Order: sequence, then C-alpha cells, then structure tokens
Amino acid sequence: ETGVTQTPRHLVMGMTNKKSLKCEQHLGHNAMYWYKQSAKKPLELMFVYNFKEQTENNSVPSRFSPECPNSSHLFLHLHTLQPEDSALYLCASSPQRTGNGSPLHFGNGTRLTVT
Amino acid sequence: SQKIEQNSEALNIQEGKTATLTCNYTNYSPAYLQWYRQDPGRGPVFLLLIRENEKEKRKERLKVTFDTTLKQSLFHITASQPADSATYLCAPGGGKLIFGQGTELSVKP
Repeated sequence: ETGVTQTPRHLVMGMTNKKSLKCEQHLGHNAMYWYKQSAKKPLELMFVYNFKEQTENNSVPSRFSPECPNSSHLFLHLHTLQPEDSALYLCASSPQRTGNGSPLHFGNGTRLTVT
Repeated sequence: SQKIEQNSEALNIQEGKTATLTCNYTNYSPAYLQWYRQDPGRGPVFLLLIRENEKEKRKERLKVTFDTTLKQSLFHITASQPADSATYLCAPGGGKLIFGQGTELSVKP
C-alpha cells in the first residue's frame, strides 16, 4: 500500500447531499494535499496544508470545504455539488511542502459521481 | 500562464523496445522535474526526480533527461515490458508542482 489511505473509494451523491471524503497518512509527513483529476485533464491542485495550517486554496468553490485536524488526517467536506464536480479526488502527502522537490505520496482516490 | 505539454496521443510499442515520452513546458523555469506513473483506478506513484543542474538521471530501466534550454524532459523506458503499460505524468516544480495531463503507454507482447 501507499501509506496514504482514502475512504470511501467510490461515492455517489445527489446535488443536495452533504458528504465527506477522508484521507489518512501513516508516513509521518507534514504536508497534505487535495487534488482533483477529471478525465483527460491534468491534476488540479485544490488545497495544501502544512503542519495543519492551510497554505493554499486554488480558487476552489466554497461547496468544497477542507479540514485538517492534525498532520495525519485530512477531510474534504462536500455540499451542494454540481454534476461537473464528478471526478477522482486524490489526497497526497509529502515530508514538507513541495518547494524543494519532495515527492508526493498519493492515495488511490475517491471516485465521486454527482447525480 | 505556465503550460505543461505531454504527448497527447497514446504511445503503443512492442515489448523489448525503448519507450520515449516527452514533456515540454512553457512560461516556467522549474528547479526540478518529477515523473510519476499512474495505473487505472489508482493514485500516481513517484518514479524519479531530476534537478535543473542535472542532465540525466537513471534508475534501473528508466532514464530521464532535463534540457532547460529546450524546456523539455524526456523519459525513457528501455527493454519495455507489458507491465510498464500505464499513464506517465510529468510534473515540473519549484515552489509549486504542476502536472501534465499524462501520456498513456501501452506495451504489447
């Protein structure tokens, strides 16, 4: 396994639902990330947390709300999503922020379908 | 704006041949470049990092080059095997890591 665990692996939700994605890393890393991967498009960085503090929000709509209670856990709370939000949501961690080349360790993602 | 381009067409090669994947970038001067492998339904897995002062890096059957003048990285897999079939992502970085859309490689027996 990768050391980064994401749950659930698959999620189908209606546009009025509220759900949460969970990510846990067992690598002792200090930085955690949320990425969105849509078909045939590059990975899009959504949020970055470093030592539990949010350091980056790439103009993500407020219907996505991240939470990082500690360096090992990261959540993405979802509400009032749109069908175009359907994608693979990937969590990643790294020893520190990627500025010095630290490789990212990814989980296997949550496949989200919004109906 | 910063732009990363990888071969948009899937690459199909015969087992045993060398696969060469291209990553071009514009409006960017990355301090390093990373390559990842992604299998269907899985997250990307880190393979190699090459820094701007390195011309070439090798790891087993993998070789990466980094030409900062051409703004290009080449990723080679020698003696390719069907198990090498996957999508390969390049990610130039330096402050922020930006991913290309990936090139799908298919190695036929």
